[in-house]
Amino acid sequence: GEDVEQSLFLSVREGDSSVINCTYTDSSSTYLYWYKQEPGAGLQLLTYIFSNMDMKQDQRLTVLLNKKDKHLSLRIADTQTGDSAIYFCAEIPPAGFQKLVFGTGTRLLVSP
Amino acid sequence: GAGVSQSPSNKVTEKGKDVELRCDPISGHTALYWYRQSLGQGLEFLIYFQGNSAPDKSGLPSDRFSAERTGGSVSTLTIQRTQQEDSAVYLCASSSYFSEQYFGPGTRLTVT
Repeated sequence: GEDVEQSLFLSVREGDSSVINCTYTDSSSTYLYWYKQEPGAGLQLLTYIFSNMDMKQDQRLTVLLNKKDKHLSLRIADTQTGDSAIYFCAEIPPAGFQKLVFGTGTRLLVSP
Repeated sequence: GAGVSQSPSNKVTEKGKDVELRCDPISGHTALYWYRQSLGQGLEFLIYFQGNSAPDKSGLPSDRFSAERTGGSVSTLTIQRTQQEDSAVYLCASSSYFSEQYFGPGTRLTVT
């Protein structure tokens, strides 16, 4: 079947904005999530958006959702070196019974 | 309150041995999930428990894998006759009913 796709790598300078993109598989997915994984650690829930929303802002994080194109993005404003990690988008398809389907992950590297 | 905890954090075992991985969910969370993270397969769903309902085992890769959840709380994932391809990080998550999932730090399993 289709995969949830993300670009593998993103490199930015400290203070810049980062935009991480995700293409998900099912336009009927009700919730879409962004998780952060630091080296050797589990997954930290960053934010999520309900499918009837186009945008959600939470401090430095902005999530944009384009249901027509099945495109999700995460913008991190004023990126810091502590933001360096792998970021995963995830969806719960309608028939998924709460099973998260994860993207491939984007490794964000923030340089000073 | 305390987050999801998992033990052991690391496990090295010989091929053919059985292993048990433990997960303590967040208190009061009715749902518990197991996922596996490996280099080749990314993050994949294994099994899902919701309250007293029969678990959703659709993600278990073979009959060597099983899981149980006692008293609606602690869960144990058992892998029998381990193989090298079972080497991965096993992640547990819990949630309130139909709510966002919170992950533990994972157990890194290495099969030699």
